Amino acid sequence: DAGVIQSPRHEVTEMGQEVTLRCKPISGHNSLFWYRQTMMRGLELLIYFNNNVPIDDSGMPEDRFSAKMPNASFSTLKIQPSEPRDSAVYFCASRRRDYYNEQFFGPGTRLTVL
Amino acid sequence: AQTVTQSQPEMSVQEAETVTLSCTYDTSESNYYLFWYKQPPSRQMILVIRQEAYKQQNATENRFSVNFQKAAKSFSLKISDSQLGDTAMYFCAFMKQVGNEKLTFGTGTRLTIIP
Repeated sequence: DAGVIQSPRHEVTEMGQEVTLRCKPISGHNSLFWYRQTMMRGLELLIYFNNNVPIDDSGMPEDRFSAKMPNASFSTLKIQPSEPRDSAVYFCASRRRDYYNEQFFGPGTRLTVL
Repeated sequence: AQTVTQSQPEMSVQEAETVTLSCTYDTSESNYYLFWYKQPPSRQMILVIRQEAYKQQNATENRFSVNFQKAAKSFSLKISDSQLGDTAMYFCAFMKQVGNEKLTFGTGTRLTIIP
């Protein structure tokens, strides 16, 4: 199995630009999670989906952040407009509910906003 | 809300020795899961071991074992015969068995294995 795939691995952009992060979960998994890792706040959940439906988006910082899951094999996290404080590593994770307890993480996207 | 506390920001140990990483948590839930994840310099999050709260037996995975004390809300990780490849950040994490399925992480312990 290919594991969770994220793209890009690294993104450098300027303040005010739109950023789109992409995630392909493991085939057969029906839950998808977006986490953000920063030095100040550690690892925190942004949003998660069950069967492509958003369940908990309370961690999304503000209206500049949006996430979609149009089908079972693809999700995006968009930041518009980006700000320097959005610089972080963004992880996508997936899980097959009611079968595996653990979440399988992708390699992460390191975002730098100048 | 659940909280996870890792009180050891950094630890170091000689290769081949045993080291124990501490984790405590706070929850009002009766049924939940606990995990230890490893994050090496590559930043990939790797599951090390998991424990179901309803199981009294401590989980073991090769050189890794846990000491799960439900009443004390403690979940420590023991690494035996430590190897250089064990050098990494280690995160303790909590997940409800029913309801919100997010992982709540501790702040991590940076473990360095000294040759």
